[in-house]
Amino acid sequence: DQQVKQNSPSLSVQEGRISILNCDYTNSMFDYFLWYKKYPAEGPTFLISISSIKDKNEDGRFTVFLNKSAKHLSLHIVPSQPGDSAVYFCAAFNSGNTGKLIFGQGTTLQVKP
Amino acid sequence: DAMVIQNPRYQVTQFGKPVTLSCSQTLNHNVMYWYQQKSSQAPKLLFHYYDKDFNNEADTPDNFQSRRPNTSFCFLDIRSPGLGDAAMYLCATQGQLNQPQHFGDGTRLSIL
Repeated sequence: DQQVKQNSPSLSVQEGRISILNCDYTNSMFDYFLWYKKYPAEGPTFLISISSIKDKNEDGRFTVFLNKSAKHLSLHIVPSQPGDSAVYFCAAFNSGNTGKLIFGQGTTLQVKP
Repeated sequence: DAMVIQNPRYQVTQFGKPVTLSCSQTLNHNVMYWYQQKSSQAPKLLFHYYDKDFNNEADTPDNFQSRRPNTSFCFLDIRSPGLGDAAMYLCATQGQLNQPQHFGDGTRLSIL
């Protein structure tokens, strides 16, 4: 039972354009959602998060949107840069339970110069 | 400066030979996690410590054990590694349960 799904294994965009990474979840008890970025041979690095009481959170070039009714969130990167090329993991947890993160399978983003 | 440090980065062991992976943190976080990640898959939580309280996931094999002698260190022991245990093992820490987890760079375990 996969509670967090990233249905696109890979995405390729041109430098300067917008990258949109999508994530769906099934557990309505999740109240925090996070995006992590992972370069090869490194651990995941926290990128941005959003609480379920919000529908948008922005940090520089990165914006996360949450649609609770659709149980869907997305990460927008604009403008995309070649250094953004990495694997992006969506994750969620229920803060009232434990801090246990449930991860999606990841989306590999390639930003072409 | 690395705040969650995993040693070694690469570990090779023989089938059935016990192996220990280590994780240390300078963040003074209460919670420490161990994940297993296989290629193209989501990281899978094995267990976590909230302070000294150990929490095992229901589907974590008995072959996997953990120790946390103090706040800074946490160990993953694999008693009899099988070929299916070859994976990246990630350690993470967390200050409070509603905060992001901070990951180390992982240990890639190979089984001969």
